[in-house]
This record gives sequence, C-alpha cells and structure tokens, in this order.
Amino acid sequence: GAVVSQHPSRVICKSGTSVKIECRSLDFQATTMFWYRQFPKQSLMLMATSNEGSKATYEQGVEKDKFLINHASLTLSTLTVTSAHPEDSSFYICSASDFSGTSGYNEQFFGPGTRLTVL
Amino acid sequence: DAKTTQPNSMESNEEEPVHLPCNHSTISGTDYIHWYRQLPSQGPEYVIHGLTSNVNNRMASLAIAEDRKSSTLILHRATLRDAAVYYCILRDRLGGNTPLVFGKGTRLSVIA
Repeated sequence: GAVVSQHPSRVICKSGTSVKIECRSLDFQATTMFWYRQFPKQSLMLMATSNEGSKATYEQGVEKDKFLINHASLTLSTLTVTSAHPEDSSFYICSASDFSGTSGYNEQFFGPGTRLTVL
Repeated sequence: DAKTTQPNSMESNEEEPVHLPCNHSTISGTDYIHWYRQLPSQGPEYVIHGLTSNVNNRMASLAIAEDRKSSTLILHRATLRDAAVYYCILRDRLGGNTPLVFGKGTRLSVIA
C-alpha cells in the first residue's frame, strides 16, 4: 500500500514556541490530506482537511490561526502549532488520500503520528 | 457518514480466532465498511474493507450480514501483535475526498 511519512516522530517544546510537523506521501500524489489529533485513551479527532493549492477547511472548534496548515505540493502538507501550550500536547496524525483512477475510490493512508509534548 | 457501534473491549487467547462485531443499522446503499486498527503509539493501519460480499485478505476476513446492518472482522489466529484498537468505519463510496471519521473502536487484548 501507499506510504505516508511524518516528521518529526516526537517533539518536546517550551510553552509559547511554534512547532512544525511535516506529512509526506512517499509514492503517490495526494490532492487531499487530513490532520487528526488524538488525546490519551481517546479516538482520533479530525482537525482539518487540506487540499493542495488552496486553504484548509477546519472542523468546528479548531482554531485556524493556531493550527496553520500549508499544502504547497501534491506530496507535502505541514501543520504548524503556533504559540503552543501544554493543552496542545497530543498525538498528531496525518493521512493522505490516494485517488485510484480505475475504481474511482479514494483510499486513505495514515502517517505514523507525531507526539507533541509542550512543557 | 452513518454511525457504527462496537464493544469497548474484547479479549482473546493467543492463536485462537477472534470475531470483532460492528453494528451499523443506518448504513446506506453506497457506504463501504472499513476496518482499521491502531497499535499503541502508531497511526491507524488499514485492515480490510467491503461493500456487500464477504472479503478475505492476508490480514483478516470481513463477514457482512445479508442486510448489511452489521459486520464482523475475523482474525483467524490472534497473535500478541494483533493487540490494538480496531475501528469499524463507514464511508460513502461516492463521497470523493471525505475523511474517515473514527468512533471509539474496540480495544483487543491478546493473552499469551
């Protein structure tokens, strides 16, 4: 199956700093990428949908000025957590949609996640 | 996407089959049934998906009820590496680039 990578895998930062997380589709072009957040013992919560070359669409309750998403190419989307605070500590997971031309069905592949800890 | 209902947790002995149930009584005719699993501290991993007929792959089998209101993921021989949270998700095949929406899933424990 298709491979999605994330970098870094874990990051620790001080409160007030900004952190950038990269999501790459390694062997396919992803017109759409999704960002999820997962707190301990909870399920994945969709944060935003990122389309290449256009502005991201954020889910209700997710601050777009705090979680900046850039999808500048068909293989790279970045999530920047600005002015991070301890409550932003979470497991951030991206996924990319691989459009299958023959079936017309968009499979979704997930990255390994980035564990953010804000001190 | 229609909602699914799964047991919070299940337990299995190693090397025995596991049947993970999922109810989706409000499924529509164009919804695919997906199963993903998430191992600890990892991103979700695709397991299997189907529409109407039962499906088999190297990881598991998916049994879909005739009325499509429920399905069962079958792991034929559970191993310790199968301990994970298993998510049953419906996604409209006509939904284009709509994202997968995760419920709480079933936490599977495998006992040696």
